[in-house]
Amino acid sequence: GAGVSQSPRYKVAKRGQDVALRCDPISGHVSLFWYQQALGQGPEFLTYFQNEAQLDKSGLPSDRFFAERPEGSVSTLKIQRTQQEDSAVYLCASSLVFIGGTEAFFGQGTRLTVV
Amino acid sequence: RKEVEQDPGPFNVPEGATVAFNCTYSNSASQSFFWYRQDCRKEPKLLMSVYSSGNEDGRFTAQLNRASQYISLLIRDSKLSDSATYLCVVMRQAGTALIFGKGTTLSVSS
Repeated sequence: GAGVSQSPRYKVAKRGQDVALRCDPISGHVSLFWYQQALGQGPEFLTYFQNEAQLDKSGLPSDRFFAERPEGSVSTLKIQRTQQEDSAVYLCASSLVFIGGTEAFFGQGTRLTVV
Repeated sequence: RKEVEQDPGPFNVPEGATVAFNCTYSNSASQSFFWYRQDCRKEPKLLMSVYSSGNEDGRFTAQLNRASQYISLLIRDSKLSDSATYLCVVMRQAGTALIFGKGTTLSVSS
């Protein structure tokens, strides 16, 4: 498909388990963003990549959260020792360029439930 | 203070009504501004960019006031299909993070 693809769509993790969420951006898109969206809230910024460089990780809530994009394409968001407050939808977005008003395209998200 | 603030609503309006949403942002260095729309349990999608001169797309008009750090969205002749959450989005500086507001929920009824 031509859109942003995220997997898995749904993930149930036991508290304390590590999880890895995958994002396949649109081919050729330079910028990649990760967001966390809790129920009834707007997407909260987590981190931003320009190609393989992680330029902003100011939104990562703790050192349990780690993101990478080693080849400037696919990205993985890893959450270690999951907690119940990590339950949310994790959205990935990509855009073609990184300056100005270029549209960011979102994937359908991964719904994480920590039990 | 949140970086991008919106009135969460909900706004409940009848079909045909005109409704306006407001948004303020705190970072004066912010470069670009957008409105996104999010339907229930779906991903956000770009509605329109916002320019200082103001811009219009059919029934939708967006305005930006840099001096007041204020963004607005006006929807005329509301349709049932306009029911959604409208997210105000600000790019901090050129080529950096897109920051979302909490969203304003609109419900249009017949």
